[in-house]
Amino acid sequence: AQTVTQSQPEMSVQEAETVTLSCTYDTSESDYYLFWYKQPPSRQMILVIRQEAYKQQNATENRFSVNFQKAAKSFSLKISDSQLGDAAMYFCAYRSSLTQGGSEKLVFGKGMKLTVNP
Amino acid sequence: DSGVTQTPKHLITATGQRVTLRCSPRSGDLSVYWYQQSLDQGLQFLIHYYNGEERAKGNILERFSAQQFPDLHSELNLSSLELGDSALYFCASSAFSGTPYNEQFFGPGTRLTVL
Repeated sequence: AQTVTQSQPEMSVQEAETVTLSCTYDTSESDYYLFWYKQPPSRQMILVIRQEAYKQQNATENRFSVNFQKAAKSFSLKISDSQLGDAAMYFCAYRSSLTQGGSEKLVFGKGMKLTVNP
Repeated sequence: DSGVTQTPKHLITATGQRVTLRCSPRSGDLSVYWYQQSLDQGLQFLIHYYNGEERAKGNILERFSAQQFPDLHSELNLSSLELGDSALYFCASSAFSGTPYNEQFFGPGTRLTVL
């Protein structure tokens, strides 16, 4: 079974600075997807960024980028120019690729609370 | 707004009772997923339905059941409720099932409190 670990329960960052959230995962599959979700106080789950395991290039979405290290099974999220609106819970998630007969369920880490200080 | 709706937003009930949570997927989406978010267990997958058929089951208790109706809305039934069932229950939908990648769009959740 796949597992996702977020070892830092909380982090804080100053507005306009850069912060990196870490995530490790365990799987025996070679093809899969990794995600970062944001959950603000409204509780809505919002997809921030997605990475396909077969792609060597790290995904980027505006101020959000990932560092995907497949061999190390590491998937970190970098937030540049942090804004007050970035304050939220962040969840790392894993999904199998169906090409390997995997389930479509998302497997989540425990989450990390990010505080942005003005 | 993801386009996924869940009702009710909040539900307060007593131990031993039964409740039904409802989810309407985004227009055109055929897949519905249910997840439970609790303080001790985190976010956990419960069950996946595609076009009315059960596709996958996760850590869903026997006291819980779900179904997807012909109009594609889904209901999660929780019975013999215990204090530990208090959680945020999310529904997510995606367009298909069985394709390499389907983004799951999450609803706003139903907050269940069991007293």
